[in-house]
Amino acid sequence: DAKTTQPPSMDCAEGRAANLPCNHSTISGNEYVYWYRQIHSQGPQYIIHGLKNNETNEMASLIITEDRKSSTLILPHATLRDTAVYYCIVRASYTGNQFYFGTGTSLTVIP
Amino acid sequence: ETGVTQTPRHLVMGMTNKKSLKCEQHLGHNAMYWYKQSAKKPLELMFVYSLEERVENNSVPSRFSPECPNSSHLFLHLHTLQPEDSALYLCASSQRRTGGHEQYFGPGTRLTVT
Repeated sequence: DAKTTQPPSMDCAEGRAANLPCNHSTISGNEYVYWYRQIHSQGPQYIIHGLKNNETNEMASLIITEDRKSSTLILPHATLRDTAVYYCIVRASYTGNQFYFGTGTSLTVIP
Repeated sequence: ETGVTQTPRHLVMGMTNKKSLKCEQHLGHNAMYWYKQSAKKPLELMFVYSLEERVENNSVPSRFSPECPNSSHLFLHLHTLQPEDSALYLCASSQRRTGGHEQYFGPGTRLTVT
C-alpha cells in the first residue's frame, strides 16, 4: 500500500472550514484514499473514502487531485467536537483487510 | 454508536492472570480485527478474521490468542502478559466487498498490566 504524508498538527477556528491535506505521491490506480479520525482514547471513526472522484457525505468532503497524488479532507464548519487525530490511509481493495494507520494530523478546533 | 461493542472497557490484570477481551459486531460484517494502540504510537494490526479464516501479524507474541467462534463475535485471550502489553485494544469489523471496505471500530478496552 502507498505511503501517506500528513502534517503533524493543525489548528482551526470554530465555525470555519478545516482543510486537512494528505500527500500520497506513490498511489497506484487501484488504491483508494480513506480518512478516519480518532478522538482521544476512543476507537477510530470512519469518515469517508474515494478512488478518483470527489466525494461528500454528512460528515465531510474529500477532494482528490486529478493526478491522485494528494487529497484534502474538508470539514465545512468545524466544531469543538471535531478536535481529533485525522488519519489518511491509502490501500487497495484486494490486499487482505489491513489498514495501516500512521501518526495522522492532530486537529485542534479553537473556540 | 458504531455497531461494534467491546467488553470490558477497562481491565487491570497481573502478569500471572488469564483474562479475555470480547468484541461483538451487530453490522452483519464478514471480517473482524484486533488492533493494539500503545501510548503515542500508531495502531498496530494484530489479527484478522476474514470469512472465518485467521490472518496473523507474525510479530504478535503467543501470549495473545484470538478466537472467532462466528462472524459476529471475536475474543482475545490473554495470559502471562508483560507490563509493555498495557495499551488500548481495539476491535473492528468490515464487509469484504469489491470497491473498498471501511472498518468500524469499537470503543476499545484499556488494559493495564501490573
